[in-house]
Amino acid sequence: GENVEQHPSTLSVQEGDSAVIKCTYSDSASNYFPWYKQELGKRPQLIIDIRSNVGEKKDQRIAVTLNKTAKHFSLHITETQPEDSAVYFCAAPRRATGRRALTFGSGTRLQVQP
Amino acid sequence: EAGVTQFPSHSVIEKGQTVTLRCDPISGHDNLYWYRRVMGKEIKFLLHFVKESKQDESGMPNNRFLAERTGGTYSTLKVQPAELEDSGVYFCASSQDRGQGARAEAFFGQGTRLTVV
Repeated sequence: GENVEQHPSTLSVQEGDSAVIKCTYSDSASNYFPWYKQELGKRPQLIIDIRSNVGEKKDQRIAVTLNKTAKHFSLHITETQPEDSAVYFCAAPRRATGRRALTFGSGTRLQVQP
Repeated sequence: EAGVTQFPSHSVIEKGQTVTLRCDPISGHDNLYWYRRVMGKEIKFLLHFVKESKQDESGMPNNRFLAERTGGTYSTLKVQPAELEDSGVYFCASSQDRGQGARAEAFFGQGTRLTVV
């Protein structure tokens, strides 16, 4: 937190291509960065997160990288599939809540074309 | 284990009316959060409860919004009187409290879509 900027707002890729979504944050004390996926009409769900003591984390086709110096973190999805189509939100902790509540980015609508 | 549940799932009310949204967090989760997503925009923080206490309510738009969590279990969010700009999807989330420095995943409910006409 406290400000989280996310780009791009929309992203369209061909099935099998990679997708990258980038976020920046303003609070240098932030130490936890989750990514949520929200499919149409469904609830946001955590897909991956990273803590400030590591620079990269992978889980199958998704990975997150963190650059603490530059205060930005990115979501990478490889070999995209149609079911990856959704809105993705990055987030960072809100200081006032003991860093439990989150400040979210504006979201990226990912469309994977078959 | 039941997830976070919210009701109603949809609500359409007229400007000036009152609406109360309810959230039942996952059992044992001390932290309960309310968020709102207005059409196509970010998920915006409203407030955070730890058990029955408000930890941070700085995201509440104005005094037409009142949240309660009596007994530290379920929570309600009342909007009175509702205005057109209150339309959006209201999400509730909950997480465990694992103590200093520990991070617990926040689980979201399916949201209440509020339309004020």
